[in-house]
Amino acid sequence: AQSVAQPEDQVNVAEGNPLTVKCTYSVSGNPYLFWYVQYPNRGLQFLLKYITGDNLVKGSYGFEAEFNKSQTSFHLKKPSALVSDSALYFCAVRYTGRRALTFGSGTRLQVQP
Amino acid sequence: DAGVIQSPRHEVTEMGQEVTLRCKPISGHNSLFWYRQTMMRGLELLIYFNNNVPIDDSGMPEDRFSAKMPNASFSTLKIQPSEPRDSAVYFCASSLVAGVRTGELFFGEGSRLTVL
Repeated sequence: AQSVAQPEDQVNVAEGNPLTVKCTYSVSGNPYLFWYVQYPNRGLQFLLKYITGDNLVKGSYGFEAEFNKSQTSFHLKKPSALVSDSALYFCAVRYTGRRALTFGSGTRLQVQP
Repeated sequence: DAGVIQSPRHEVTEMGQEVTLRCKPISGHNSLFWYRQTMMRGLELLIYFNNNVPIDDSGMPEDRFSAKMPNASFSTLKIQPSEPRDSAVYFCASSLVAGVRTGELFFGEGSRLTVL
């Protein structure tokens, strides 16, 4: 089945340290991949997307993600975490021939001061 | 731009009552999506429209759920009759889809539904 998986329910990191939130995908063909962030009681906000081209994608708030076709991964990264980055992060994929996005289960990022 | 606007933000109702959730997409966007978020099932796509036409409603749980998009600037999601298991946050999102590429989805703030 075509989907995305977020293997970690929660990631804890100290402020100032680098962070990684993992995402793997299972999509035939060329996937379109996305990262979103959700703060408490808010809607999802777009961070970045990979459609084609450079495997390293830069997005909002200093986040970036690397598309790795051989490992079928699209991990979200940030060189230096902020307490304000604490939120719920979703990876999403667009299936070939479909316009809606399918979301992963989400990973809660907790950045400790 | 005001973004995607949803109403009501919170709704508390009793089992068996009709619930109508409303959404105004971003002007110029041609696709509209309804998602439901629960702790148990995460984010689920219910239905999406392209140019006001329902394209995929396979995620609609059952006949109690219906969605309409009478024009490009308005959509409703109706639950009749409502049940406690319908309690969730319902999100509307819109997007500009051009050709084979999908632009990112822009989400509203959600409608939190509690069915007692």
